[in-house]
Amino acid sequence: GQNIDQPTEMTATEGAIVQINCTYQTSGFNGLFWYQQHAGEAPTFLSYNVLDGLEEKGRFSSFLSRSKGYSYLLLKELQMKDSASYLCARGANDYKLSFGAGTTVTVRA
Amino acid sequence: EPEVTQTPSHQVTQMGQEVILRCVPISNHLYFYWYRQILGQKVEFLVSFYNNEISEKSEIFDDQFSVERPDGSNFTLKIRSTKLEDSAMYFCARKTGDGNTIYFGEGSWLTVV
Repeated sequence: GQNIDQPTEMTATEGAIVQINCTYQTSGFNGLFWYQQHAGEAPTFLSYNVLDGLEEKGRFSSFLSRSKGYSYLLLKELQMKDSASYLCARGANDYKLSFGAGTTVTVRA
Repeated sequence: EPEVTQTPSHQVTQMGQEVILRCVPISNHLYFYWYRQILGQKVEFLVSFYNNEISEKSEIFDDQFSVERPDGSNFTLKIRSTKLEDSAMYFCARKTGDGNTIYFGEGSWLTVV
């Protein structure tokens, strides 16, 4: 299988930092993607990692360790609009994506 | 870059009817995908389409489903003899040339009654 594991829910306060972890099976790996999805909407691309290390993009950063089959998405300076589901997706051949179930992040004032 | 455009945004159909969902790329791309998301569940891969041919398909993508690019632009997903369990959001996606980004369309919400 292509098990992608991530926590179901996380809650944080406005202005705080939240880290969403994701583990995946390493065989046939072809990149790790993170998406944001608001209820009833399409996934919106956030980041792509194919090499080890941290990729920073504004308030959002993504980290990858290929040997450990591990990634995380770091959300900084949380805003209310960041309340959404965050999807970890593993790329395989032809960049076919296998998605995790998503982590629902709730930002509280 | 803009995402792909999908039509219809929402369709209600009777069980057993055929449905065609359309995906219109903004520019000429080679890689397209269809995914679906049943309400409250995770996004699932259906099929990848490369250079006008099916590249890979999932177990979900059985004989009930077909894809084609009839006029070289629109990319369609046809669902024959729809079932109640086909009710889901169907997303078209495309890959950028460098493979670093996969954009999803806004989705077509299919309700089978």
